[in-house]
Amino acid sequence: EADIYQTPRYLVIGTGKKITLECSQTMGHDKMYWYQQDPGMELHLIHYSYGVNSTEKGDLSSESTVSRIRTEHFPLTLESARPSHTSQYLCASISPGQGDHTFGSGTRLTVV
Amino acid sequence: GEDVEQSLFLSVREGDSSVINCTYTDSSSTYLYWYKQEPGAGLQLLTYIFSNMDMKQDQRLTVLLNKKDKHLSLRIADTQTGDSAIYFCAESLGGFQKLVFGTGTRLLVSP
Repeated sequence: EADIYQTPRYLVIGTGKKITLECSQTMGHDKMYWYQQDPGMELHLIHYSYGVNSTEKGDLSSESTVSRIRTEHFPLTLESARPSHTSQYLCASISPGQGDHTFGSGTRLTVV
Repeated sequence: GEDVEQSLFLSVREGDSSVINCTYTDSSSTYLYWYKQEPGAGLQLLTYIFSNMDMKQDQRLTVLLNKKDKHLSLRIADTQTGDSAIYFCAESLGGFQKLVFGTGTRLLVSP
């Protein structure tokens, strides 16, 4: 059973709207990540956080922003959605030790 | 550089063995992972191998690591239709700061 939760699961929204994708984990992990995945394609890191009040941009440039006010929450916000933002967004956290990521089920975003 | 490559597609019959290959370029990677992604879902960790190991076996899964050639493979024994999915290899860089994923191999298992 997943201990990392993403909502909504699917979202269809109009151009120009502001949206926030939620990600929560109950494992107390400090490090959390957002990846973007186009259909059938590899994942690209867009944001990560080492802990509360720590956020960094990833390898793939993204117009989204993130915040980390609490350990368990790592929301991603798009101020003004565009069709180019249509993608799947996957949130993950990392366990200490061997460093494997636990992934949420993802949010599939469609901007029309 | 950071480049993890995989073949895009593999088709096998149920009961056969599947071998999915991956090459990576960063020799400093500490851990290498195999993830499974079913349609419309997130990624599920299948197994991982520490960089100082050559092989790891976990039930039907066998991971082989050739560090000299930077080659990683995942063998699935007695492949089942439920194994049909996309398989991603990934390497961890910079003290587990991030994962760099391969392009994914779509495995199709036919009855």
